[in-house]
Amino acid sequence: DAGVTQSPTHLIKTRGQQVTLRCSPKSGHDTVSWYQQALGQGPQFIFQYYEEEERQRGNFPDRFSGHQFPNYSSELNVNALLLGDSALYLCASSAFGSPDREQYFGPGTRLTVT
Amino acid sequence: AQSVTQPDIHITVSEGASLELRCNYSYGATPYLFWYVQSPGQGLQLLLKYFSGDTLVQGIKGFEAEFKRSQSSFNLRKPSVHWSDAAEYFCAVGAGSGGYQKVTFGIGTKLQVIP
Repeated sequence: DAGVTQSPTHLIKTRGQQVTLRCSPKSGHDTVSWYQQALGQGPQFIFQYYEEEERQRGNFPDRFSGHQFPNYSSELNVNALLLGDSALYLCASSAFGSPDREQYFGPGTRLTVT
Repeated sequence: AQSVTQPDIHITVSEGASLELRCNYSYGATPYLFWYVQSPGQGLQLLLKYFSGDTLVQGIKGFEAEFKRSQSSFNLRKPSVHWSDAAEYFCAVGAGSGGYQKVTFGIGTKLQVIP
């Protein structure tokens, strides 16, 4: 079992550019959540996807968007990058409706905006 | 909306000493509670979780936590700390309905272990 995988590992972008991050969930999981973790902070919930639709969203602007594919993998897109978007982006997968609601996290993508 | 408070940003303990990391949460209903550990530059690993049943839960690596509804707390404990426990620890509360869940994390407690 490969667990949750994310790509790329690291990414450097310039202000104003757009970026796409990718996530493959753990085998058997159908729900994907994305989190932003700024330096020295806890992860902050961006949104959650299930059945290819955004189901819940945190306090993030529309510049942050996502997609879920039929194979349950997911993408996070960020447009018009700002310096403040520099962070570790974490993907977590879970099984919809599981009793304990446990989420499994990937290793993250480190995004640096210059 | 739910929230999590971890009042200790940084804790230093001696190897072999006991450890308690504090966590207080705010949520109107019965919460799903989690403790995660993160090593530098790494993702999050689940230590333990509570969502129902026995309020004292056992986790991996010898950690345990106790859910106290009256105090809105979910403190993490370990009787004897090892140098490899040095990492950042996050308390989190999950909330949602119909199978959907939004997880809110605390700011984290950085644990330093000294010989």
